[in-house]
Amino acid sequence: QSVLTQPPSVSAAPGQKVTISCSGSSSNIGNNYVSWYQQLPGTAPKLLIYDNDNRPSGIPDRFSGSKSGTSATLGITGLQTGDEADYYCATWDHSLSVWVFGGGTKLTVL
Amino acid sequence: EVQLVESGGGLVKPGGSLRLSCAVSGFTFRSYSMNWVRQAPGKGLEWVSSIGGTGSYIYYGASVKGRFTISRDNAKNSLYLQMNSLRAEDTAVYYCARGDFPVGSTCLDYWGQGALVTVSS
Repeated sequence: QSVLTQPPSVSAAPGQKVTISCSGSSSNIGNNYVSWYQQLPGTAPKLLIYDNDNRPSGIPDRFSGSKSGTSATLGITGLQTGDEADYYCATWDHSLSVWVFGGGTKLTVL
Repeated sequence: EVQLVESGGGLVKPGGSLRLSCAVSGFTFRSYSMNWVRQAPGKGLEWVSSIGGTGSYIYYGASVKGRFTISRDNAKNSLYLQMNSLRAEDTAVYYCARGDFPVGSTCLDYWGQGALVTVSS
């Protein structure tokens, strides 16, 4: 049972838009920055979004992040087959003094 | 170019020990916190431990506290994870990951390729 809650899977057609939610609490998302990671099959995770809504250099603007209260959302527009991956949200939990991850969401581009 | 390369993984018997290393290059190592994150086969990511840039703070996840020890050698640009009293449930790919600040990181911005640790008799 992960501290942060994500849907196990989402799917959409190529070219469409999808959102992935991440729900936490006041001790984690509510008072800390959220980051998102993309893990393509058989590879290491890669930073996708940091500080709630910022993209590292090289990440296309098709990827976006937002946060409201104790929840965060990753949005992906113009879906491509190459976007099929597992996506994880994460943040620091100051009550537990640990990094917490969501359980991960598998994106399928139909 | 930032690079993180893990080594030291392998097969170990339950109750045994193993030491993982992470050699880094391409950045000023002491200026960043470092982390270990693991992923059991077919499962999600689980944070294991963090250490500040100067080693000033160290945190552990509940599942490894008292068994694992994180350390770093800033002169050698290396991060370590000493794993003792290993259990079957410690079987995972272990990633080293850089925090974006020496203290109070808000993301893990670079990751290594991972080292597989298998605990089995």
